[in-house]
Amino acid sequence: LAKTTQPISMDSYEGQEVNITCSHNNIATNDYITWYQQFPSQGPRFIIQGYKTKVTNEVASLFIPADRKSSTLSLPRVSLSDTAVYYCLVGDSGNTPLVFGKGTRLSVIA
Amino acid sequence: GAVVSQHPSRVICKSGTSVKIECRSLDFQATTMFWYRQFPKQSLMLMATSNEGSKATYEQGVEKDKFLINHASLTLSTLTVTSAHPEDSSFYICSARGGIAGGRRDTQYFGPGTRLTVL
Repeated sequence: LAKTTQPISMDSYEGQEVNITCSHNNIATNDYITWYQQFPSQGPRFIIQGYKTKVTNEVASLFIPADRKSSTLSLPRVSLSDTAVYYCLVGDSGNTPLVFGKGTRLSVIA
Repeated sequence: GAVVSQHPSRVICKSGTSVKIECRSLDFQATTMFWYRQFPKQSLMLMATSNEGSKATYEQGVEKDKFLINHASLTLSTLTVTSAHPEDSSFYICSARGGIAGGRRDTQYFGPGTRLTVL
């Protein structure tokens, strides 16, 4: 079973900031939080990963509250090319595979 | 770094034939690789965990005799769909955890996927 819960879909206009929140109430001490982006007929692409507080890279920010039971992926100023499915996953650094939930289908509208 | 490739990207075969899909970690060594399957409009489903030099671990409901996995080296895992049937038509995606030479050790990197169509 997936360890995370996300909204099924979201819509946004171009240029807006998009925040996708993920719930992971049963996250374990050793678990990291990782977000992936998937376009149709492509493999998931790593976006960002964090353990706690805030992480920022060139494409997104990840906000994790102190209790780590949720996380929020923030995409600044989305464009049409950001239309994709976004997956939030939790897992440790061992050999345990990531189990995917349903993801969030983001549609960016012009 | 941490690039994973798959070959072929697309394959069409007749029912009853076998198809082999290769997964390679191009710039890092991966002691563990994972195989997923994805049907249209659905999420990725884990099929098996492939460990270098040992037998794969299959998820419940995945037939190990039908989906043969071999992980003969630290950079190559293969998935062979034996006696393929139309219901095996799907998008197969491999993944490797970042290892020694590249990527983050605690992150899974995914290949581009292989589209299998069984006629």
